[in-house]
Amino acid sequence: AQSVTQPDIHITVSEGASLELRCNYSYGATPYLFWYVQSPGQGLQLLLKYFSGDTLVQGIKGFEAEFKRSQSSFNLRKPSVHWSDAAEYFCAGGNYGQNFVFGPGTRLSVLP
Amino acid sequence: KAGVTQTPRYLIKTRGQQVTLSCSPISGHRSVSWYQQTPGQGLQFLFEYFSETQRNKGNFPGRFSGRQFSNSRSEMNVSTLELGDSALYLCASSIGQGNEQFFGPGTRLTVL
Repeated sequence: AQSVTQPDIHITVSEGASLELRCNYSYGATPYLFWYVQSPGQGLQLLLKYFSGDTLVQGIKGFEAEFKRSQSSFNLRKPSVHWSDAAEYFCAGGNYGQNFVFGPGTRLSVLP
Repeated sequence: KAGVTQTPRYLIKTRGQQVTLSCSPISGHRSVSWYQQTPGQGLQFLFEYFSETQRNKGNFPGRFSGRQFSNSRSEMNVSTLELGDSALYLCASSIGQGNEQFFGPGTRLTVL
């Protein structure tokens, strides 16, 4: 069965520090991969997506993610975190003809 | 282009009642998915509709049902509400399965 895992439940970083959120997937075929962000009480906003091609994907708000087939990973990165980045981050996988599978989420806290 | 809209944004019901939530997808999107989000269970897939047909259903009891209209608007219904149904219900629309989903702000349901 398809699955998406996010090993880190909660991460705390200082403002201005770099960030990497981990995501691993288990699919029969390489899925489409997505990162979403959710602020408290809000819906999910799409940060970036990977369908195929260039394995380094640029998204909104200065985020990027790298697809690594050998590691079944799609980690999200940001070189310098801002206080407004504090939120919950979800990795998701999808495939043609199949529904999304979401990871459990990683809560990001940012220290001033 | 207008985003996904959900109504109402907040609902308070008592046990045993029923509730209907509404979702209007982005214009041109024919796929609508529903999710339940709770602190303990995370994002759980309820069902997905495409062109008025339910294509997939998650692992929820029959008290949870939905439908989609010819204009792609969707409703979900929960009958005989239980305390555990208190959650944020999110609707997402997309062009089709596997493509990125765009989420609405959610309906916060509280069951007393």
